[in-house]
Amino acid sequence: KAGVTQTPRYLIKTRGQQVTLSCSPISGHRSVSWYQQTPGQGLQFLFEYFSETQRNKGNFPGRFSGRQFSNSRSEMNVSTLELGDSALYLCASSSQGGTGNTIYFGEGSWLTVV
Amino acid sequence: QKEVEQNSGPLSVPEGAIASLNCTYSDRGSQSFFWYRQYSGKSPELIMFIYSNGDKEDGRFTAQLNKASQYVSLLIRDSQPSDSATYLCAVNMGLSGGGADGLTFGKGTHLIIQP
Repeated sequence: KAGVTQTPRYLIKTRGQQVTLSCSPISGHRSVSWYQQTPGQGLQFLFEYFSETQRNKGNFPGRFSGRQFSNSRSEMNVSTLELGDSALYLCASSSQGGTGNTIYFGEGSWLTVV
Repeated sequence: QKEVEQNSGPLSVPEGAIASLNCTYSDRGSQSFFWYRQYSGKSPELIMFIYSNGDKEDGRFTAQLNKASQYVSLLIRDSQPSDSATYLCAVNMGLSGGGADGLTFGKGTHLIIQP
């Protein structure tokens, strides 16, 4: 069974640009969540989607957005990039996404903003 | 502010010994608890999860949960150099009370197993 797949793996963007990251969950998983990991803040929850609906959102500005498609694939977008957005962005999937359901991470997308 | 606290380490343990990793959490209503291992430059990998008070064993790993003390730990028996990594404690704190609430992660403990 294939794991969570994220693309691109590495990218460099300039301040003010926008970026779109893609995630394909484990087959059969309908919940996709996104996390940001930085050395200073650690792993922080961005948002979660289930059946194309955002069910929860972490404490991030509106520049961070996402969506989920009918095949459960998800994208996240960051607009007007800032230097502080440089991070590892992790996508995770789970079968239902409810309390107690384990989530499995993809390999992440390393974003550098210059 | 709902928090998960871990000692950042590094925690140095001789090969073959027991490594003990600890985590405390602030939300008494938390229901599920996870341990992830993360090697440098890699994504977190699930080791195990625990929901009920007490111990849960899986191979060399034992998770311990004490909800009254808001404390969860991970024991690694017969530590191997390959266990050297950062261990992340994660808690489902029910940010919104419904659906996938997102996990709240500690900042991790850096474990070093000395050969």
